[in-house]
Amino acid sequence: DTGVSQNPRHKITKRGQNVTFRCDPISEHNRLYWYRQTLGQGPEFLTYFQNEAQLEKSRLLSDRFSAERPKGSFSTLEIQRTEQGDSAMYLCASTLPGQGVDTQYFGPGTRLTVL
Amino acid sequence: AQKVTQAQTEISVVEKEDVTLDCVYETRDTTYYLFWYKQPPSGELVFLIRRNSFDEQNEISGRYSWNFQKSTSSFNFTITASQVVDSAVYFCALRPHNTNAGKSTFGDGTTLTVKP
Repeated sequence: DTGVSQNPRHKITKRGQNVTFRCDPISEHNRLYWYRQTLGQGPEFLTYFQNEAQLEKSRLLSDRFSAERPKGSFSTLEIQRTEQGDSAMYLCASTLPGQGVDTQYFGPGTRLTVL
Repeated sequence: AQKVTQAQTEISVVEKEDVTLDCVYETRDTTYYLFWYKQPPSGELVFLIRRNSFDEQNEISGRYSWNFQKSTSSFNFTITASQVVDSAVYFCALRPHNTNAGKSTFGDGTTLTVKP
């Protein structure tokens, strides 16, 4: 399977705990994106990387959220001191910018439930 | 600011009926991409089509067709002879053509239910 992969697929945690999600993009894709999707809404942009550089962060990404892509390959999204409002599907996408190929391909998502 | 509106929250049709999903967008960018994605119950967003703003030619792919009208800022999606497997949430998205731009802006989706 050469698509975007995300782990874990589901995470249940108690309020106040820290959680970390991982995303492995399509191998030749140098841009990686994180989105959050709540029930009944479309994905909302959180942040994106070009190689290892984090180029843009949404105001949705509070201080409790941090994302890294240390070697320009996989990325992690950490949420500290989780709150019930963090419950959502966290989607990762990757793309290879360039003429005609700048399409974001999404992974299956990590569904977070904060109790 | 960019905005994508999918006014139809839910649509229900009977198998073999044709159905059109509406998408209206707002942007100040002169060049941009438009996308449609399908999200089945499994949750993964499946890419269906990308359209450049400078190419208003309509496209057909099997039972799917897309009608892009820049004058009305609309990018509608039609499924001909719908099937039960078409049941999913469909999202329209907008993205600037600027190579430094990152994010896509999504609509809130249209839930399509095709009944046998």
